[in-house]
Amino acid sequence: EAQVTQNPRYLITVTGKKLTVTCSQNMNHEYMSWYRQDPGLGLRQIYYSMNVEVTDKGDVPEGYKVSRKEKRNFPLILESPSPNQTSLYFCASSTGTGLTGELFFGEGSRLTVL
Amino acid sequence: GQQLNQSPQSMFIQEGEDVSMNCTSSSIFNTWLWYKQDPGEGPVLLIALYKAGELTSNGRLTAQFGITRKDSFLNISASIPSDVGIYFCAGPTPHIAQGGSEKLVFGKGTKLTVNP
Repeated sequence: EAQVTQNPRYLITVTGKKLTVTCSQNMNHEYMSWYRQDPGLGLRQIYYSMNVEVTDKGDVPEGYKVSRKEKRNFPLILESPSPNQTSLYFCASSTGTGLTGELFFGEGSRLTVL
Repeated sequence: GQQLNQSPQSMFIQEGEDVSMNCTSSSIFNTWLWYKQDPGEGPVLLIALYKAGELTSNGRLTAQFGITRKDSFLNISASIPSDVGIYFCAGPTPHIAQGGSEKLVFGKGTKLTVNP
């Protein structure tokens, strides 16, 4: 089954404790992206990747890091989480550039930073 | 950056009613995408529009690419309880700025509640 898998789905952590949210897709997609969703603000892009070893900042990259060492995986790293990073996070993937075709989203990871 | 303005922000309707929502921008878009997010899930693509004036249906859903290329509409006919969710419009930013790159932008969403 074609899917984008995120882990963990739910996480409560404390300020400053490094964490990684993993994302894996089994569709051989070139494009992958991370979004955060906050009430009233919709979906905002954090980082995206056009292919292996190619990553770029989205609209709200501060406080986040990503890597794309393999085509299928695109982890999101919070080196020193802060309460303003409490949010619902989505990973997505797509063929091509990810601009005009269908984006496939994971089920989301709800992060709470105390 | 470029913005997509969705309205209304939320809607409360009775089962069986028709629904209409729209998305506008001050800039021209060459593609309009409509996504739906069910409660507790990630968004899923409903309809993609690639040509000005295009009218596309997907079951009870109909979407139109505005002739000015600055807006798009999504209509749902005869709503049912499973239509509940958040509907997002999205599109690639229209032009590659000098030194920049195109990005996909999302509207803030229209939250739909359907009362049985």
